[in-house]
Formats: sequence, structure tokens, C-alpha cells
Amino acid sequence: SQQGEEDPQALSIQEGENATMNCSYKTSINNLQWYRQNSGRGLVHLILIRSNEREKHSGRLRVTLDTSKKSSSLLITASRAADTASYFCATDARSGYSTLTFGKGTMLLVSP
Amino acid sequence: EADIYQTPRYLVIGTGKKITLECSQTMGHDKMYWYQQDPGMELHLIHYSYGVNSTEKGDLSSESTVSRIRTEHFPLTLESARPSHTSQYLCASSEGYGHEQYFGPGTRLTVT
Repeated sequence: SQQGEEDPQALSIQEGENATMNCSYKTSINNLQWYRQNSGRGLVHLILIRSNEREKHSGRLRVTLDTSKKSSSLLITASRAADTASYFCATDARSGYSTLTFGKGTMLLVSP
Repeated sequence: EADIYQTPRYLVIGTGKKITLECSQTMGHDKMYWYQQDPGMELHLIHYSYGVNSTEKGDLSSESTVSRIRTEHFPLTLESARPSHTSQYLCASSEGYGHEQYFGPGTRLTVT
């Protein structure tokens, strides 16, 4: 079954606005990661948050994790047209030798 | 920029042909992965490797095979390509399980 589910599926905003994407998952995790994918390219790692962390910042990115609700959010502040991409959450399940499980992604369009 | 390479970037091939998609990384990572991704959809893990001479099937059943004879090289082979194999194939590597993954640019395969 799908571990991560992003919400919304697509988001369209103007430059300068904030963008918030959510991710829900089903099983206990060691960490949760967010990736960005520009159209037709490979994924680029943005940020990793461990299960014992609640919030993490990196530049204009802010990630929160609520393990009791099994959910995470990615906030991009003061968005730019260059932030237009698909954003995926990925979970590292707490089950021994695990691989990452990716969600379906949120497609973000930032208009000038 | 991640040091992980995929060739070819684009491939259009007829049904029944044998193809090999190449993936190489120069980071010395033990863990390598192959994902299949249809446009606008989530990533599906089709193969992964713990290290040299170890390969495992992923969550999504695939008719492809992989080999890992050298740490830096993780090729994927389709013995007889079919139109249902048309997709984007992404290769990734990581230092360990649950760690951030570094992705190649992908190979977009079209089987006619």
C-alpha cells in the first residue's frame, strides 16, 4: 500500500506567495524526506526530518512532522517561478533494511 | 550536483529489442536503486542493490533484470522490450538505507 500521500495534487500560486504541501503516511518511520523534481528530470533531495524532530528549516523551506498524526508539511516561503516543480515526500519505514517509499507528489506552479 | 549518470537520456526502440540502461555513480555508495515513473505519477521501486553481487526486486513487478558487478555500475536490462515498458527510468544511490538518495537525470524509454 502507498506509504506517502501528498495533498494537494496540484497547487497554483503567484510569485511571492507561500506554498504549503502536506504528506500523510501509514506506518512508523525513522525519517521523512522531501524531494523536488523538475519536469522530466531526476529528483533532488531537499530536506530530511527524523522521527524525533518536529520542525526543520533550510533556507526558504520549513518542514514539520507530526508522528502522532503521521503527517508532514512542507512550506515554501516567498515562492519564485523557479520553484515550479513536483514535490514528493518519501518515508523510511522503521522495519529493518528498508528502502524509501515515495508519495504521488504535489505539482506546484508558481506564476510570475 | 550529484555524481550519478544515466545513459541514454532518451531511447526510442522497436518491440522485441534487447536494451540496457546504464547507471553509474562516483560517490562510492553501496546502495543503488532503479525506479519506474510514468509522467505525473509516483515513483515505483523496481530493483535495488545492497552492494556488489547483491540485487533485490522492488515493490513493482518488472520484467527487467539488473546486475551489480562493480560498486559504481548498476545496469538495467530488458531482454525483449514491449510498448508497456514505455516509461521513465530513474537510477539513484545512497550511502545507506534511509539516507538521502541521489538521482540521475533519468532515461525516457519509448517502445514502439
